[in-house]
Amino acid sequence: KAGVTQTPRYLIKTRGQQVTLSCSPISGHRSVSWYQQTPGQGLQFLFEYFSETQRNKGNFPGRFSGRQFSNSRSEMNVSTLELGDSALYLCASSETGGHYTDTQYFGPGTRLTVL
Amino acid sequence: AQSVTQLGSHVSVSEGALVLLRCNYSSSVPPYLFWYVQYPNQGLQLLLKYTSAATLVKGINGFEAEFKKSETSFHLTKPSAHMSDAAEYFCAVSDYGGSQGNLIFGKGTKLSVKP
Repeated sequence: KAGVTQTPRYLIKTRGQQVTLSCSPISGHRSVSWYQQTPGQGLQFLFEYFSETQRNKGNFPGRFSGRQFSNSRSEMNVSTLELGDSALYLCASSETGGHYTDTQYFGPGTRLTVL
Repeated sequence: AQSVTQLGSHVSVSEGALVLLRCNYSSSVPPYLFWYVQYPNQGLQLLLKYTSAATLVKGINGFEAEFKKSETSFHLTKPSAHMSDAAEYFCAVSDYGGSQGNLIFGKGTKLSVKP
């Protein structure tokens, strides 16, 4: 099976712009989560989608949004970019997000640089 | 609120020596606990997870961790370090009954292995 893929891998934007990142989960996985990784704050949970519905949301401003399509692919959008949004954005997928049998697989991430 | 503390942002060991990475959690209910590894320019890979089935959890690459409720700890160990173990390690927790897709991560410990 192919792993979790994220596109693009690298992105450079300027302040005030918006950006859309894409994540394709492993085939058959219906849970997709997004995380932001920065040197200062570490790994922080953004949101989780399951079967096209947002199941959990982290403590991020409304400029951060996401969605999931019927094929489980997910996108996240950041509007009005700020310098502090520069980070590695990681996507992870699992079959259901449950604990006992599921394993969560992470993609390689999208490195976003805001100038 | 759940939290995870990893003691030591950097740990250095010699090849063949014991690896011990420390993780303490704060939770009012039995948590689920995870250890992930991140190699440079890659996403996270699950090493092992605790889901209350057994207090000693064995993972991949020879790593294991022991859940100690009395000490609220979940330290990661490996008897003999290899050069290939050099990476950053993250401890994570999620709520009982919560989703594995919504994890709270520690700040990470960078492991260096000296020849």
